[in-house]
Amino acid sequence: AQTVTQSQPEMSVQEAETVTLSCTYDTSESDYYLFWYKQPPSRQMILVIRQEAYKQQNATENRFSVNFQKAAKSFSLKISDSQLGDAAMYFCAYRRGGANSKLTFGKGITLSVRP
Amino acid sequence: DTEVTQTPKHLVMGMTNKKSLKCEQHMGHRAMYWYKQKAKKPPELMFVYSYEKLSINESVPSRFSPECPNSSLLNLHLHALQPEDSALYLCASSQTGHLPGETQYFGPGTRLLVL
Repeated sequence: AQTVTQSQPEMSVQEAETVTLSCTYDTSESDYYLFWYKQPPSRQMILVIRQEAYKQQNATENRFSVNFQKAAKSFSLKISDSQLGDAAMYFCAYRRGGANSKLTFGKGITLSVRP
Repeated sequence: DTEVTQTPKHLVMGMTNKKSLKCEQHMGHRAMYWYKQKAKKPPELMFVYSYEKLSINESVPSRFSPECPNSSLLNLHLHALQPEDSALYLCASSQTGHLPGETQYFGPGTRLLVL
């Protein structure tokens, strides 16, 4: 079975600084996707960034980038120039390839941003 | 329009009541999902509909009954719930449900309290 581990329950960052959220996963599959989802307080969960396992290049989306270490099964999210609106719960998630697979979420990490 | 809407926003019900949660999307997506989320926890998948057919049922108790009248609508019928069923119920949609890299678009959720 696949597992996703987010070992830090909470982190804090100063506005305009950079923060890295950690995620490790365990799988025997070679075809899979990894995701970071953001859930702000009382607001909808949204996709932040996604990485396909076959792609060696790390995904980036504006201020968000990942460090994908396939051999180490590590998938960390770096947020640059942190903004107050980045305060949220962040979930790392895994989905294996093939039809009828489901998202497996980590426990999540609560990020607070200090003004 | 990248919005998934859910009604009602809040629901309080007794253990003998029957109620329904409603979810709607107009993005042309053919997969829709129900998740249950407890506070500060990740979403737990309950059901997946793909092309109006139930494709995943995560061994959810029969007091939860999903219905997909058409590709834009998803209902969750509730009957004889228990206090431990109190949670945030999230609806999501994605393009087909079959492609592992698909983005899931989440609604704001219905916050359910069972007394």
